[in-house]
Amino acid sequence: AQKITQTQPGMFVQEKEAVTLDCTYDTSDPSYGLFWYKQPSSGEMIFLIYQGSYDQQNATEGRYSLNFQKARKSANLVISASQLGDSAMYFCAMREGRSNRLAFGKGNQVVVIP
Amino acid sequence: SAVISQKPSRDICQRGTSLTIQCQVDSQVTMMFWYRQQPGQSLTLIATANQGSEATYESGFVIDKFPISRPNLTFSTLTVSNMSPEDSSIYLCSGQYYNEQFFGPGTRLTVL
Repeated sequence: AQKITQTQPGMFVQEKEAVTLDCTYDTSDPSYGLFWYKQPSSGEMIFLIYQGSYDQQNATEGRYSLNFQKARKSANLVISASQLGDSAMYFCAMREGRSNRLAFGKGNQVVVIP
Repeated sequence: SAVISQKPSRDICQRGTSLTIQCQVDSQVTMMFWYRQQPGQSLTLIATANQGSEATYESGFVIDKFPISRPNLTFSTLTVSNMSPEDSSIYLCSGQYYNEQFFGPGTRLTVL
């Protein structure tokens, strides 16, 4: 069964605007962590943000914030004030408490246009 | 954040040969992992690299094809053996640092 679902098609975003990338997850483990990564065309995987299932507040890192809705099993990434350098694939991932492995979604392609 | 370096960054290899990829992490990393990303796909975990013992492989990956070593806390190697064009992928080393998980820059492998 798919653990992480990212279903949005490729997105075009105007520079300086905000963009929300959807991610839903499936787990019965009460302890888990959610991750977002950025992968530019160079291929490196850049860690953006982490949210623990017991964290009381939504995670934020600079222009990145995670809209964590636990009851809906949703962990959407919000990028504020988009920049041309934000053009990349974005992957949502989950690590369940009993496991060391990260389960990745299929990714969202974002293209920022001037 | 953890610092992870990996080499080579890319290589083009002939069918039937083997390639060893090296990964160096800083001392704050606890767990080390190897992932594969086939063209246009998401990441798949190959194995967890265990210090001083055999790696723990995921379903579909075997030691004969992907031997892994981790002789100490901060260094690991992945060998892709007897390569075929289907092994053309990005191979990424990853390290866990507290709750967070970071990736090396990846090795882009093309097998002809």
